[in-house]
Amino acid sequence: GAGVSQSPSNKVTEKGKDVELRCDPISGHTALYWYRQSLGQGLEFLIYFQGNSAPDKSGLPSDRFSAERTGGSVSTLTIQRTQQEDSAVYLCASSLSWNTDTQYFGPGTRLTVL
Amino acid sequence: AQSVTQPDIHITVSEGASLELRCNYSYGATPYLFWYVQSPGQGLQLLLKYFSGDTLVQGIKGFEAEFKRSQSSFNLRKPSVHWSDAAEYFCAVAWSTSGTYKYIFGTGTRLKVLA
Repeated sequence: GAGVSQSPSNKVTEKGKDVELRCDPISGHTALYWYRQSLGQGLEFLIYFQGNSAPDKSGLPSDRFSAERTGGSVSTLTIQRTQQEDSAVYLCASSLSWNTDTQYFGPGTRLTVL
Repeated sequence: AQSVTQPDIHITVSEGASLELRCNYSYGATPYLFWYVQSPGQGLQLLLKYFSGDTLVQGIKGFEAEFKRSQSSFNLRKPSVHWSDAAEYFCAVAWSTSGTYKYIFGTGTRLKVLA
């Protein structure tokens, strides 16, 4: 079947605006992860969802960041009042379950905050 | 605190030469260890992973990695590099804590292959 998809592929926004990034995981995958990849940096874990359990939000950098996952499938990462330091590639991954299963990554959304 | 270090930011090798990418981790016990590759314009793809057992792990595309507990290392190797191996490589560790799992990725090593 299809892999993990993310939209939009690119997003340019002005400082202070809100943005929504979408992730469609692989069908049947119960675990979903969001990461941020800044230039020259490794992947920074943001948040993960496992089934209907409460998400682990420990990696979210500030309260401007939030995420939800509707119906255990599609997820939306929302950044409110964007700042220039939010510019990065936001990657989504999914796996069959949240343990050490292989994570399958989407192509990412490149966010540029002007 | 747990950490992952990839000491080489850039590595350049000639096609056909051998390759070793270094990864060191800091964790009190044996974590779960992974190598991912990110090719230009592509998403990250798992190359291999180590959970337990044989410390030499075989992966896709001819890659292997060896877990050395005494050195807290999980270096990635390939005996003969192909031009298509040019990409960025990420080492990652995961560990179980309080009924959940945590993941940390290294900052990556960018591989350039000379024809």
